[in-house]
Amino acid sequence: EVQLVESGGGLVQPGRSLRLSCAASGFTFRSYWMTWVRQAPGKGLEWVASIKEDGSETHYVDSVKGRFIISRDNVKNSLFVQMNSLRAEDTAMYYCARGGKQQLEVWGKGTTVTVSS
Amino acid sequence: DIVMTQTPLSSPVTLGQPASISCRSSQSLVHSDGNTYLSWLQQRPGQPPRLLIYYISKRFSGVPDRFSGSGAGTDFTLKISRVEAEDVGVYYCMQAAQFPLTFGQGTKLEI
Repeated sequence: EVQLVESGGGLVQPGRSLRLSCAASGFTFRSYWMTWVRQAPGKGLEWVASIKEDGSETHYVDSVKGRFIISRDNVKNSLFVQMNSLRAEDTAMYYCARGGKQQLEVWGKGTTVTVSS
Repeated sequence: DIVMTQTPLSSPVTLGQPASISCRSSQSLVHSDGNTYLSWLQQRPGQPPRLLIYYISKRFSGVPDRFSGSGAGTDFTLKISRVEAEDVGVYYCMQAAQFPLTFGQGTKLEI
């Protein structure tokens, strides 16, 4: 069964950092683009970042450029996002999704990030 | 950035009746490889999004055939032939023709 399980969310103060992880199973992880998408409370979906199969290409939404870093470990079948200089507006549910160049085929259940003092 | 605009934003429907959602993109979604990367996602209450339709009209694995997609260029439509109770939720169109990937605002389907 194809599965994506996010972890690492929590309550963090503005300006601090957090690292989210996504553990993938049930498919050949190294063969897929991977993506992070977030959803603020009561709002729609917002694409955050995507990374190519081998990690050689990354893309970010403007609002996180210079603050977030997407990465992957194809040996451990894991996706990450390092979130620095967090702001209140980064508060959201963060989803890991398989895909990014064509469609987002499989989604995890998400992990909640709350940025507040 | 490509802006995706959905209409309506809210759609009251009757069980067993059809429903339709439109999505318009601010520029063509035809990629240089000839494919059109327009997909539709469903988000039921309290759940993560789920891919329904990709490449405009292809149903993803396990998606009932009452869901269909159509369109070309900048205008796209998701249709549900006969709404069932489990179809309640928010529907999003999404383009992956270019980065940044962008979503429509979402259409809330309610009985």
